[in-house]
Amino acid sequence: AQSVAQPEDQVNVAEGNPLTVKCTYSVSGNPYLFWYVQYPNRGLQFLLKYITGDNLVKGSYGFEAEFNKSQTSFHLKKPSALVSDSALYFCAVRGPSTGGSYIPTFGRGTSLIVHP
Amino acid sequence: DAEITQSPRHKITETGRQVTLACHQTWNHNNMFWYRQDLGHGLRLIHYSYGVQDTNKGEVSDGYSVSRSNTEDLPLTLESAASSQTSVYFCASSESGDPYEQYFGPGTRLTVT
Repeated sequence: AQSVAQPEDQVNVAEGNPLTVKCTYSVSGNPYLFWYVQYPNRGLQFLLKYITGDNLVKGSYGFEAEFNKSQTSFHLKKPSALVSDSALYFCAVRGPSTGGSYIPTFGRGTSLIVHP
Repeated sequence: DAEITQSPRHKITETGRQVTLACHQTWNHNNMFWYRQDLGHGLRLIHYSYGVQDTNKGEVSDGYSVSRSNTEDLPLTLESAASSQTSVYFCASSESGDPYEQYFGPGTRLTVT
């Protein structure tokens, strides 16, 4: 079975400061990891993914995420937060395809609030 | 540009009525998914399809059904709407194979009174 934990329901950060949104996962085999962002009254938008290779993945809007296999984590980061980054962030994990299954498991989401 | 659309965007219905939510994608993706989003639960998978005539149950499929007659559409039907099905529903699609991200529609807010 695969699972994702986003330990913080809400993260508050001042504009211009670095931000981190945490994600830990559990999966059999090598993981595929994803981050999505959801703005109010909108669907989820893909930010970035980890497949293999470099542990630091760069994505849209200046976001990046660090894969740490030993800690089974995939934290989302940004060096300098913007007020417009305020949104709901979802981490998702998928194990290797099993019998053609492509179903990811999503975390419960973390609300990021960036204060001016 | 390719896109994924959902209709209606808002729907109010009465308990016991049958309701169908539409999902249409022009990405030509084989994989399509339906989720519901509720506060405190995140996204929960209702049904999914890997291609025409293929449908599969997700973790919260009771009271819902889907059919896939073509690549572009995966309508979600609530056979007899219940107040517990008040939620925001999202459709998503993805390419087959590994490890493709999902593209989400804008959502349908359903209220069952």
